[in-house]
This record gives sequence, C-alpha cells and structure tokens, in this order.
Amino acid sequence: SAVISQKPSRDICQRGTSLTIQCQVDSQVTMMFWYRQQPGQSLTLIATANQGSEATYESGFVIDKFPISRPNLTFSTLTVSNMSPEDSSIYLCSVLLQGTYEQYFGPGTRLTVT
Amino acid sequence: QQQVKQSPQSLIVQKGGISIINCAYENTAFDYFPWYQQFPGKGPALLIAIRPDVSEKKEGRFTISFNKSAKQFSLHIMDSQPGDSATYFCAASDRGSTLGRLYFGRGTQLTVWP
Repeated sequence: SAVISQKPSRDICQRGTSLTIQCQVDSQVTMMFWYRQQPGQSLTLIATANQGSEATYESGFVIDKFPISRPNLTFSTLTVSNMSPEDSSIYLCSVLLQGTYEQYFGPGTRLTVT
Repeated sequence: QQQVKQSPQSLIVQKGGISIINCAYENTAFDYFPWYQQFPGKGPALLIAIRPDVSEKKEGRFTISFNKSAKQFSLHIMDSQPGDSATYFCAASDRGSTLGRLYFGRGTQLTVWP
C-alpha cells in the first residue's frame, strides 16, 4: 500500500482567494489523481497528474481554475483559484501504485469558501 | 453518463446479517473492479478488488461476486458489524486505455444496527 498525506486538512477561505493543497506520498508513483467530493456524494475526477507531463483535465475542469504541479514522483499540488462558495468541497489526492492496479487515497482537504 | 451504477443508495442491516451492495457497468473494456470503504471525515480506503478472470474473491468477511456476462458485480459483507457502518463505493477501471482512471458508483451508505 501507500501512505499519503495532504495539507492542509481543512481550511476556510474567502471568496476570490486561492488555496494550494499539497499531496505527499511515501513512495515513488507515476500516476497521481485529484478528486473532488461534495458531502454525501461520490468522487469526481478533476485531473490526472502524470510526472513529467502536463496534467490531463476532465470535462468541466480547466487549468486556469485548478492548476496542478507535479515536480517529482512523490509530490503534487492542486490550487483552487479565484474561489467561490461553489468550490466548497472535499479535495482528495490519490496515487496508483506502480506495477499494480491499486489506487490509494489521501485523507482529504475540507475546503469551505465564505 | 454514469459509467458504473450502484444500488441501493442506503442499506440498513442488523448486526450479524449479510449486507449486499450491487453494481453494474456497460463498458466491456473495464478490467479492474475495486470496492472502497469511506468513514466520515476520512479518505476512501481500498477494501477489496477483483479482475474479470475470476468470479469470486473473498477476504475475511468481505466477498466480491463477479458476473462478466451480466456485467455486474457485488459486495457481500458477512456477519455485518456496527463498525462496518460506512459509505461503500464500487468502481471500475480500464487500465489499457485510461492508465488507472477509476469510474465510481454513487455510493451506498451502510448502517449496521447493534
């Protein structure tokens, strides 16, 4: 398995500001993913962050709003830009364990935008 | 369009009973079917997974049954315990074309009464 940490665990932010969420994994992984989860809802994939290439965004998500960095094989950041109350959600990173099909999730970042 | 359909949305089971959650999919290219367990305030945890070359996989009290011809798979929790109360998500992936991208069901909130 993999141990994944996220920072911050939660934050309350004002409308119009930006927040950068960090994701750190304890082993080198090729594929990292960023998801959004509204309370009581399923997981929605925002983008796939493959080390060494540009992130691939899902329909409805754009790089200007959710820029992602992937500087190495153990770390990634997701920025939520120009936030509005509709961005209030739980943001989760996950990693695909190399050589397996297994995907593991971090604990999540609970974001509230006022 | 929901790639993986999950039912029921909620389930109440008495302690010691069997909990059954069902999922169905359409994409025959899917070749990996995991189940995740999520407790409030936590990230989803990989519970058990199956590949389509087997019809059943058992790990402790948790069993996945897989019906390739019907394009359905289900999670059975034997001897359900109050500690099993959580939200369960089924998912599917086509590693060949999507490099590990998971398609999630909408989730089932399981409550086990003592």
